[in-house]
Amino acid sequence: AQTVTQSQPEMSVQEAETVTLSCTYDTSESDYYLFWYKQPPSRQMILVIRQEAYKQQNATENRFSVNFQKAAKSFSLKISDSQLGDAAMYFCAYNQGAQKLVFGQGTRLTINP
Amino acid sequence: ETGVTQTPRHLVMGMTNKKSLKCEQHLGHNAMYWYKQSAKKPLELMFVYSLEERVENNSVPSRFSPECPNSSHLFLHLHTLQPEDSALYLCASSPGLAGDEQYFGPGTRLTVT
Repeated sequence: AQTVTQSQPEMSVQEAETVTLSCTYDTSESDYYLFWYKQPPSRQMILVIRQEAYKQQNATENRFSVNFQKAAKSFSLKISDSQLGDAAMYFCAYNQGAQKLVFGQGTRLTINP
Repeated sequence: ETGVTQTPRHLVMGMTNKKSLKCEQHLGHNAMYWYKQSAKKPLELMFVYSLEERVENNSVPSRFSPECPNSSHLFLHLHTLQPEDSALYLCASSPGLAGDEQYFGPGTRLTVT
């Protein structure tokens, strides 16, 4: 079965600095999708960024980018120029084939002003 | 209303009660999901419906009973719950294809006394 591991339960960063959240996963498949979702306090979970495994180019969305290392099964999220609104739980997730998403345990990110 | 809505937002129930959680999506999606989010545990997928048919049931206890009367509505019927069932229950929807983004509702915070 596929598993997703986030080894950092909590992270903190100074406002305007850069932070990287780690994620590793286990799969024997070659075609799949990876996601980072953000869950702000008392607010709905929203998609941050998405990566197709067949694409070698790392996905980027404004201040958010990923470092996708397929051979190492690693999918880290880099947040540049951190803002107070980035404070949230961040979940890494894996999807292959059907609609099922497998989530990691989450990383709580704190932004220090 | 837009997006994915869930009612009620908070629910306290005794172990002998019967209650239902409701989810509605206004996005024209074909797939809907129930997740359980407990403290310090990854999100657990409970049920997946695609075009109103259940396609995934992750060995959820029978005290949880889903119902999908149409592609816009999803219910989770609860009866004879246990205190360990206390959690945030999230509903999500997606267009229905592999790799699609899932759109989440705000969740129902359930407390079983």
